[in-house]
Amino acid sequence: DTGVSQDPRHKITKRGQNVTFRCDPISEHNRLYWYRQTLGQGPEFLTYFQNEAQLEKSRLLSDRFSAERPKGSFSTLEIQRTEQGDSAMYLCASSPKRRHTDTQYFGPGTRLTVL
Amino acid sequence: AQRVTQPEKLLSVFKGAPVELKCNYSYSGSPELFWYVQYSRQRLQLLLRHISRESIKGFTADLNKGETSFHLKKPFAQEEDSAMYYCALRDSSYKLIFGSGTRLLVRP
Repeated sequence: DTGVSQDPRHKITKRGQNVTFRCDPISEHNRLYWYRQTLGQGPEFLTYFQNEAQLEKSRLLSDRFSAERPKGSFSTLEIQRTEQGDSAMYLCASSPKRRHTDTQYFGPGTRLTVL
Repeated sequence: AQRVTQPEKLLSVFKGAPVELKCNYSYSGSPELFWYVQYSRQRLQLLLRHISRESIKGFTADLNKGETSFHLKKPFAQEEDSAMYYCALRDSSYKLIFGSGTRLLVRP
């Protein structure tokens, strides 16, 4: 499967713990996006990388959230001191850098449950 | 403010009936609009984009700038069309702004 992959697919953690998610984009896609989706809502933008540069962060991304893409390939999203309100599906997407064909391809998501 | 509104959470139709999923947007610039679909137990995938002006799986969508709408239409619904449909707008920074989605249920 050459699509976007995410790991883990499910994560259950206790409030206050740190969690880290990984996203592997489609090979040669230089744009990578993180979204969060809560029940009954569409995905909400969190942050965006072009190669290794983090170009935009949403106000949803509090100080407890950090994302990296160190070599311009895979990315990690870390949540520190998790809260119950962090429970959601975390989606990763990637796209090539071609304006009119830069469709965002989504991964299967990581479902986070904070107890 | 940039916003995408999908007023219907659920749309239920019989097989063979016409379908129209509504989408309205608010955006100050020249928008790029998309429809994404999520079938049961599958990932979110692009259905169509307004710039392509194409028909995918019998679905079409026309951008109406006067009414700020991008409704998704299909003349004859099929059971396999049952899914969650999201309208999205891409802003100048390339991120997608999604609506809250409409669940389409096509009954036999």
